[in-house]
Amino acid sequence: DTGVSQDPRHKITKRGQNVTFRCDPISEHNRLYWYRQTLGQGPEFLTYFQNEAQLEKSRLLSDRFSAERPKGSFSTLEIQRTEQGDSAMYLCASSRGLAENTGELFFGEGSRLTVL
Amino acid sequence: GEDVEQSLFLSVREGDSSVINCTYTDSSSTYLYWYKQEPGAGLQLLTYIFSNMDMKQDQRLTVLLNKKDKHLSLRIADTQTGDSAIYFCAEKGGYSSASKIIFGSGTRLSIRP
Repeated sequence: DTGVSQDPRHKITKRGQNVTFRCDPISEHNRLYWYRQTLGQGPEFLTYFQNEAQLEKSRLLSDRFSAERPKGSFSTLEIQRTEQGDSAMYLCASSRGLAENTGELFFGEGSRLTVL
Repeated sequence: GEDVEQSLFLSVREGDSSVINCTYTDSSSTYLYWYKQEPGAGLQLLTYIFSNMDMKQDQRLTVLLNKKDKHLSLRIADTQTGDSAIYFCAEKGGYSSASKIIFGSGTRLSIRP
């Protein structure tokens, strides 16, 4: 399977714990995005990387959230001191970073976080 | 700021046409997209339109863009039960290739027999 893969698919944690999600993008894609989706809403942009550089972060991304893409391949999203409001589906997407491309995003199936 | 709005629900009879509407606010949008999300699956690009076009047809799908009114629509002809899903309108703002993509809240399409 050469699509975007995310791990774990589902994480249940207690309030105050730290969680980390991993995303493996399509191998030739140099751009990687994190979105958050809650029930009945569309994906909300969190952050994105071009290769290993984090180019933009949403105001939604509090300082409890950190994302990395150390070698420009896979990425991790860590949430520290989780709160119940962090419960959501965390979506990863990748795309080619060429100026002339359409910007099509290829999404993974998401990592669902439940904070008790 | 950037905002994309769409109605939450649409119910159509099998075989009829479905029309899903969307409005956006960013006048510098370059590409506009329709993504489909089936239950338990990731979002998948259905079709897109470049901002200098006003119509695009792809088999059963027709996209209409009214740039003046910032209105985008997706028409699905001969709607089938397999078309049941949530449809997201999205826009890529600005002329930089680094622009992020903003999504609407999604329209849930249900098909009645």
